[in-house]
This record gives sequence, C-alpha cells and structure tokens, in this order.
Amino acid sequence: QKEVEQNSGPLSVPEGAIASLNCTYSDRGSQSFFWYRQYSGKSPELIMFIYSNGDKEDGRFTAQLNKASQYVSLLIRDSQPSDSATYLCAVEGGGSEKLVFGKGTKLTVNP
Amino acid sequence: DAGVIQSPRHEVTEMGQEVTLRCKPISGHDYLFWYRQTMMRGLELLIYFNNNVPIDDSGMPEDRFSAKMPNASFSTLKIQPSEPRDSAVYFCASSSSRTSGLYEQYFGPGTRLTVT
Repeated sequence: QKEVEQNSGPLSVPEGAIASLNCTYSDRGSQSFFWYRQYSGKSPELIMFIYSNGDKEDGRFTAQLNKASQYVSLLIRDSQPSDSATYLCAVEGGGSEKLVFGKGTKLTVNP
Repeated sequence: DAGVIQSPRHEVTEMGQEVTLRCKPISGHDYLFWYRQTMMRGLELLIYFNNNVPIDDSGMPEDRFSAKMPNASFSTLKIQPSEPRDSAVYFCASSSSRTSGLYEQYFGPGTRLTVT
C-alpha cells in the first residue's frame, strides 16, 4: 500500500513568516511530486510540482525534494492570510498513472 | 475553457436510493479521475479512465459503486443503493498526457453527497 504522510496540523504562522509544510512517501519508485492547495469548501488546485532532487522556486513558493530520504516539502515565504488553506501533498504511484494524496496540512496565516 | 464541470453540486438522498453524479472533463483531456474526500480518509481515488476506457477501479469501495464514460465529454458515477457512509464530497478531475501532463490534474467543484 503506497502511503503519503503529512502532519495534519493545524499549522499557524504570523503574516510575513515562512510556512514549512512537510510530506513523506513510502514508494521509492515514485518520480513525480505535487502540491495542491485546497481552500475550505473548494476543490484542490495544483500549485507546484517537482521531479528532481533539490529545490524548485515559483514566486513565494519553493518545493524541496530529497528522494534518498523520501521527503518532500513546501516553503511559503512572506506568508499572507490568503495562503490559509489545506495543502495536499501528492505522489505519483511509482510508474502508475495514479496520484496518491496525503490527508493534507491545514495552514492558518494570522494577520 | 470552462474547466471541469460537475453536477449536481449538492445531493441529499435517503438511504437505499440511487445516486448519479455527473462530470464533464476539460475538452481535449484524455484522463478522467473520480475521487472521494472525507475528513477521516482524505482524498481517495475511486476509478480512472484513459480515452474513455476504465483503467483502474481498485478504489471503488464495493459493488454498489459503478462508473461509466460513454464518450470523451461525459462520465457518471452511480451509487445504488446509497448508504449513510457514502456521505462525502465526490470530485472529478481530468488531465492531459499530451499537453499539461498526466499528473497535473484539474479538479471540478465537487458534489457534496449527504445520505440520510
């Protein structure tokens, strides 16, 4: 059973701080990793993807991947109240066409 | 493009009734996924289609659930008979292996199902 684990939170940070969201996965064969954002009552929305070890930056978001440790993270710099949402980590299932989702980490950014 | 369209947005039904959820994927997308989301279990993949053909239905919880995709622009998820434990938000998502990428899935707004 392929698993994706996330700290459910809630994670609370002050406005302007760095929010760090973490995810571990069980399938060493996984090659593609995704972060989805889900606002309360809304559908998941893709915000970042990463395929190679290291960091990938997009605006205030940085995705980090360490395949040896089977660890993915998402950093949000200069956090804004509008970043308050649940962040879902998703992992491609080792050659499968499916994504396996973690249960998500709820982030609250306090003004 | 209008994005993924789902209907109805909300469905309240009594136990034992048949429920049909509908989805229209983004035009040109060749993959369609049905998910169920609950607080306890998170987002679970039920079934997915490639070019209208069901590829993997291992996530379908039991025989009460069935899904079809008669053409590239329409899919249904049917629950018969429905039970209270089926209460959840059901999402449809689509992706394109030719353009944005197989794993870059675009989700519809979801159908919130309540079975009493």
